[in-house]
Amino acid sequence: EDKVVQSPLSLVVHEGDTVTLNCSYEVTNFRSLLWYKQEKKAPTFLFMLTSSGIEKKSGRLSSILDKKELFSILNITATQTGDSAIYLCAVEPNTGNQFYFGTGTSLTVIP
Amino acid sequence: GAVVSQHPSRVICKSGTSVKIECRSLDFQATTMFWYRQFPKQSLMLMATSNEGSKATYEQGVEKDKFLINHASLTLSTLTVTSAHPEDSSFYICSASRRTNTGELFFGEGSRLTVL
Repeated sequence: EDKVVQSPLSLVVHEGDTVTLNCSYEVTNFRSLLWYKQEKKAPTFLFMLTSSGIEKKSGRLSSILDKKELFSILNITATQTGDSAIYLCAVEPNTGNQFYFGTGTSLTVIP
Repeated sequence: GAVVSQHPSRVICKSGTSVKIECRSLDFQATTMFWYRQFPKQSLMLMATSNEGSKATYEQGVEKDKFLINHASLTLSTLTVTSAHPEDSSFYICSASRRTNTGELFFGEGSRLTVL
């Protein structure tokens, strides 16, 4: 059964801390892994990863994929209160027309 | 960038009535759209996959007679919650994939349904 699991489920940190969010998957015929940030409404796209070992970076956020061990991490450095959100990981198989979402990680950054 | 519009953003209805939510891809054709339900502080739960011109594929445990999905054109999918009850109150989000580009999903803004 295809599945995507994120950990931790929730996390509370202080501003300035660095956090690492995990996403592991068991999906047949992997095509891509995507990270989204969801605040109040629609999730917003962060990264799409298709190849192992290539880090994608955007400001204080970065992500990398390990296709051998079937997981990805999302790093956020020097966290700010605006980083508080649910972070969603989704995996798309090659079969298309299907995205498997993880449980999400709820991040709270306190001043 | 690609935009997906969802309407209405918020709806309040009485128990027993039906509510329709629209999801439109504004600048691309979406042969497939997805409908999700989300409970507070939880991840998205896929309800069904909507395919243009054919019947939707529902996830296990989702009542297809309760949640009617119609994908009449390449830019519009609708979700109708029939005979709504208070337990149907939730946040519903649609998404569409634009396959000619990065393959990423584009999400609507979501619809908050409250059934009294």
